[in-house]
Amino acid sequence: GNSVTQMEGPVTLSEEAFLTINCTYTATGYPSLFWYVQYPGEGLQLLLKATKADDKGSNKGFEATYRKETTSFHLEKGSVQVSDSAVYFCALVNTGFQKLVFGTGTRLLVSP
Amino acid sequence: DTAVSQTPKYLVTQMGNDKSIKCEQNLGHDTMYWYKQDSKKFLKIMFSYNNKELIINETVPNRFSPKSPDKAHLNLHINSLELGDSAVYFCASSQEALGGIGGYTFGSGTRLTVV
Repeated sequence: GNSVTQMEGPVTLSEEAFLTINCTYTATGYPSLFWYVQYPGEGLQLLLKATKADDKGSNKGFEATYRKETTSFHLEKGSVQVSDSAVYFCALVNTGFQKLVFGTGTRLLVSP
Repeated sequence: DTAVSQTPKYLVTQMGNDKSIKCEQNLGHDTMYWYKQDSKKFLKIMFSYNNKELIINETVPNRFSPKSPDKAHLNLHINSLELGDSAVYFCASSQEALGGIGGYTFGSGTRLTVV
């Protein structure tokens, strides 16, 4: 079946530090990959996506590259801010299955 | 202006009661979903409707019954509420023609607390 594995959190960083949140997936076929972000007390927002191998999704300084050879979609940001503190979810959808499958989420805490 | 709106935002109720959560989307999407987020933030799909037809029904107790009167609305009715039903329930929608690759748009969630 389809599944997503994320690194356990929380990830604790100081402001302006470099961020990596690891995500690997298992899927048949060619899934599309996503990162969603959930700020405290809010719903999920789409952060970025990639729909085919070697695509790079980017938004708000965050980036992730679809790596088919390593089945990975790691999230990176060069310099985090306090306002980036949130829970980040890696997810995939396999065309035809109509179901977004989430990882367990990784909490990011950024201190000033 | 809200793309996917859920009501109520908070719901506190006693065990054994029956309650409903409503969801509406104004994006013109064909497919709507209910997800459950547990206390550890894990998100699991419950149901999916495409143009008012049920297309995904995960292993969910039959106390949970979704209803889609039209493709812009997907409501969730829960009978005989139990303590374990306490969670945050998210409604979402997507454009079916894209197979979901356009991403889902989520509502802000309904926090259900059963006491």
